[in-house]
Amino acid sequence: QVTLKESGPALVKPTQTLTLTCTFSGFSLSTSGMRVSWIRQPPGKALEWLARIDWDDDKFYSTSLKTRLTISKDTSKNQVVLTMTNMDPVDTATYYCARSGQGTLGMDVWGQGTTVTVSS
Amino acid sequence: QSVLTQPPSVSGAPGQRVTISCTGSSSNIGAGYDVHWYQQLPGTAPKLLISGNSNRPSGVPDRFSGSKSGTSASLAITGLQAEDEADYYCQSYDSSLSGSVFGGGTKLTVL
Repeated sequence: QVTLKESGPALVKPTQTLTLTCTFSGFSLSTSGMRVSWIRQPPGKALEWLARIDWDDDKFYSTSLKTRLTISKDTSKNQVVLTMTNMDPVDTATYYCARSGQGTLGMDVWGQGTTVTVSS
Repeated sequence: QSVLTQPPSVSGAPGQRVTISCTGSSSNIGAGYDVHWYQQLPGTAPKLLISGNSNRPSGVPDRFSGSKSGTSASLAITGLQAEDEADYYCQSYDSSLSGSVFGGGTKLTVL
């Protein structure tokens, strides 16, 4: 059974750096074709794709947020970490991680999401 | 403004058929990239509904179907049920952005 779970601070201050961890089980990110993405959803708004890391350590970022994002993986711990610098109140959202299986960018398993509020 | 355009809302009576469109461009859907559809029930994480334009993952009822043509894709839901009331999102890949993109979402109301 594939599962993913996001963790990180519920509250960050403006200008701080947010670090989120996605801990997963049931698959290995060293297996060819596996990918993990981060997606966020501000309250009442649409999903926004943020970043993706592939089994071969290729990394992809949202063009609009590229300068603020870093994605990395620790295969031995089954974790993917996303950092976002210079947080702003508009970054308040639920942040999800999700897996894409072999041969597709469709995200077949999602974490439950973690809510991050940016406020002083 | 989302790269993929969806109607903000659709509605239908129980038992009816509704469709949700997802309009892209030559750098995403029109370039041949797959479209995926997600259902998000209130307060929950999105769930993959249709993968690779028209494939239903295991457990998804055959009332849900997807299609793609040119720069657009569609999600059709037949035999509407009250439990289908949710937000629906399309997703594809955009070559000019070198990343995935989502539609703005469509709220389905079952009358």
